Amino acid sequence: DVKVTQSSRYLVKRTGEKVFLECVQDMDHENMFWYRQDPGLGLRLIYFSYDVKMKEKGDIPEGYSVSREKKERFSLILESASTNQTSMYLCASRPANYYGYTFGSGTRLTVV
Amino acid sequence: AQTVTQSQPEMSVQEAETVTLSCTYDTSESDYYLFWYKQPPSRQMILVIRQEAYKQQNATENRFSVNFQKAAKSFSLKISDSQLGDAAMYFCALTANTGNQFYFGTGTSLTVIP
Repeated sequence: DVKVTQSSRYLVKRTGEKVFLECVQDMDHENMFWYRQDPGLGLRLIYFSYDVKMKEKGDIPEGYSVSREKKERFSLILESASTNQTSMYLCASRPANYYGYTFGSGTRLTVV
Repeated sequence: AQTVTQSQPEMSVQEAETVTLSCTYDTSESDYYLFWYKQPPSRQMILVIRQEAYKQQNATENRFSVNFQKAAKSFSLKISDSQLGDAAMYFCALTANTGNQFYFGTGTSLTVIP
């Protein structure tokens, strides 16, 4: 089975801190995604990457950046965490020729 | 632009009964895929069922089936013989063949009553 692993299940950070959320997949998928999940809003796309060092903005990229130096790893960076970035963050991946995601277990981030 | 609407924030069903979750969508694409994902309390999103828009036949996976009405842009999920393990948040999602992004509905929380 494909595995998408998010490094932290729960994270508490202070306002203004730089935060790194890590995601690793083990099946050589070309495409990787970061979503934010909030109650009543569903999942909203922050950024995605279709290849190493390539990235595309999603619907809500403000306040976030990403890094993909290796195919298996896709990092989400909060440059200066704010309380409105308190949320559940989900990483997903899929191969180029199949339209279906495999998700990680999510990171619940609280910014205080 | 693509949108996905789930109008039922919460649903409940008695164990062993059947329940239908509703989803409508809008897209200008002719080639697209529709999905139902399940998110149990463990938070792991699990693919329940997938439907290619070009296929007229409704997808089925064991106790899960869909009613895909392309003209009406409707994609409902039917769960038969509901089990306690079916309790979860269910998300309807859409992706077009031309793009990378998935568009998700706001979810339906399903409770299964013993």
